[in-house]
Amino acid sequence: DVKVTQSSRYLVKRTGEKVFLECVQDMDHENMFWYRQDPGLGLRLIYFSYDVKMKEKGDIPEGYSVSREKKERFSLILESASTNQTSMYLCASSLPGQGAKAFFGQGTRLTVV
Amino acid sequence: GDSVTQMEGPVTLSEEAFLTINCTYTATGYPSLFWYVQYPGEGLQLLLKATKADDKGSNKGFEATYRKETTSFHLEKGSVQVSDSAVYFCAPPPKGRRALTFGSGTRLQVQP
Repeated sequence: DVKVTQSSRYLVKRTGEKVFLECVQDMDHENMFWYRQDPGLGLRLIYFSYDVKMKEKGDIPEGYSVSREKKERFSLILESASTNQTSMYLCASSLPGQGAKAFFGQGTRLTVV
Repeated sequence: GDSVTQMEGPVTLSEEAFLTINCTYTATGYPSLFWYVQYPGEGLQLLLKATKADDKGSNKGFEATYRKETTSFHLEKGSVQVSDSAVYFCAPPPKGRRALTFGSGTRLQVQP
């Protein structure tokens, strides 16, 4: 069964901390994505990557960076966490040219205090 | 570019009621749309895909249709169950090297 795994389901961090959210997929997908999900705002794209070491900004990249050193792993980094980054973070992956059929992880609920 | 507007929720229905959720999509080119579902505590998963006006997608009792005259897509189910309680998202297909973008989501709550 295909799988996208996010390293944590729940995370609590302090303001100013550097936070790493990890995502691993076992489907050999080229494309990987990070979204955040907030009530009333739906899913918003933060960053995506279509190949190793490649990255593209999404709609709300400010305050975030990403790393894709290996094909199966896509990390989201909050350089200095702030309370407005409290959210549900969703990772997804897909094959190229079939971006619509994306597979999602279960999400990481991050709380910044 | 393409823009999508999804029907706001929450939608509360009794079991066995008829469900319809709408998504209006201003498309450049040939219209198609994907429906994803997010069950409580889970990530999203693809539910089904609607393509052209006379081609309906269907899965798990859900049907996706497109009405050309209103450029709107509809997710329908004739008889909902409590287990259908979830958030439903519509998503136009990405163009080129772009990611999926989603409608705002419609929360469905089915009461026994």
